[in-house]
Amino acid sequence: DQQVKQNSPSLSVQEGRISILNCDYTNSMFDYFLWYKKYPAEGPTFLISISSIKDKNEDGRFTVFLNKSAKHLSLHIVPSQPGDSAVYFCAASASRSGGSNYKLTFGKGTLLTVNP
Amino acid sequence: NAGVTQTPKFQVLKTGQSMTLQCAQDMNHEYMSWYRQDPGMGLRLIHYSVGAGITDQGEVPNGYNVSRSTTEDFPLRLLSAAPSQTSVYFCASSYVGDRASYGYTFGSGTRLTVV
Repeated sequence: DQQVKQNSPSLSVQEGRISILNCDYTNSMFDYFLWYKKYPAEGPTFLISISSIKDKNEDGRFTVFLNKSAKHLSLHIVPSQPGDSAVYFCAASASRSGGSNYKLTFGKGTLLTVNP
Repeated sequence: NAGVTQTPKFQVLKTGQSMTLQCAQDMNHEYMSWYRQDPGMGLRLIHYSVGAGITDQGEVPNGYNVSRSTTEDFPLRLLSAAPSQTSVYFCASSYVGDRASYGYTFGSGTRLTVV
């Protein structure tokens, strides 16, 4: 059972436009959510996170929105740049699950391509 | 400023062989973990550790062993390699208790092929 779902394997946008990457989760115990970016032949790098007590977190061009009732989060990149082309992973953790609060569950990833 | 170092970067094994993937971090992170990445499967947790002497299983632990004798090192052992273990392996580490900066630091990966 996939607890973190990224239903779009790929997304293509034009430079300067907004990129919206979506993520859904099924485990109601998840209370912390993160996005990672991964370039080919490199390890993932942490991008931005959000706690379940918030519904929005912003860091420069990157904003993450959390809709707890819908169990949905999204990552907005504005404006998109060619260097943003990478695979983006959504991840979640549950702080109340008896010691497993450092275990991240990842989605399958979305390949973002930003065209010049 | 090495971060998380994984060795080797590439490895080819024959079915039945054993080997150890090395992971070392110099950030004094308490938490370390191993993930595997397969096409269309995302990142799946193999084993993790919240400190020296403490390890636990993740989502896909079968065929792998770990130990954590020091804070810095978290090796992953393949006991008897199988073609199903062909994958890219990532080691990751983080602090514990500071959720505000709760991002993992990942190594650059080990690409393993079992033939």
